[in-house]
Amino acid sequence: DVVLTQTPPTLSATIGQSVSISCRSSQSLLHSNGNTYLHWLLQRPGQSPQLLIYLVSRLESGVPNRFSGSGSGTDFTLKISGVEAEDLGVYYCVQGTHAPLTFGSGTKLEIK
Amino acid sequence: VQLVESGGGLVQPGKSLKLSCSASGFTFSSYGMHWIRQAPGKGLDWVAYISSSSGTVYADAVKGRFTISRDNAKNTLYLQLNSLKSEDTAIYYCASNNWGYWGQGVMVTVSS
Repeated sequence: DVVLTQTPPTLSATIGQSVSISCRSSQSLLHSNGNTYLHWLLQRPGQSPQLLIYLVSRLESGVPNRFSGSGSGTDFTLKISGVEAEDLGVYYCVQGTHAPLTFGSGTKLEIK
Repeated sequence: VQLVESGGGLVQPGKSLKLSCSASGFTFSSYGMHWIRQAPGKGLDWVAYISSSSGTVYADAVKGRFTISRDNAKNTLYLQLNSLKSEDTAIYYCASNNWGYWGQGVMVTVSS
């Protein structure tokens, strides 16, 4: 199975600070069809996960543009440019290129 | 758009339970659907997937015990859980295959 390693496991940020979360895959996530099925989710406390970024860098409708995704192959990054209070929660990367589908272990963002 | 899970509860080891996920606000029949679970205090764990044409895939941990199905006429996704184990205790979420739609989750507790 593909292992997604997220770092750091915990992140503490002040309002307005820019932060990055890394997601490294044990195998390339480039599918034979040319797509890279790596997505980013946010789970706020007590809520269901929600989609932020799909296919590495595409911003989901309604998601603020302070969120951005980048990367290729095995290395991916989620960046938040100017953290806001509502951004606290756990961020997960998820891959759908290789079966079975797998999630990263999560990065908890705390607001100082 | 709404996904509403139901059918959870407390069940003894070895027993069965059937979860439902009722969809509205989008063309349910056009979407593949996932069941994802989250053990208390843990990360996200993929359980099963059913395509729009009802092809199915399962995680090894539930293969042979769980069955995913759908009724497009009723806009409903199901998960039949048999031979339940304590390690199946979790919140179970249904989600669309594009990760854009999630239910609120339903708790399944397996305990004697």
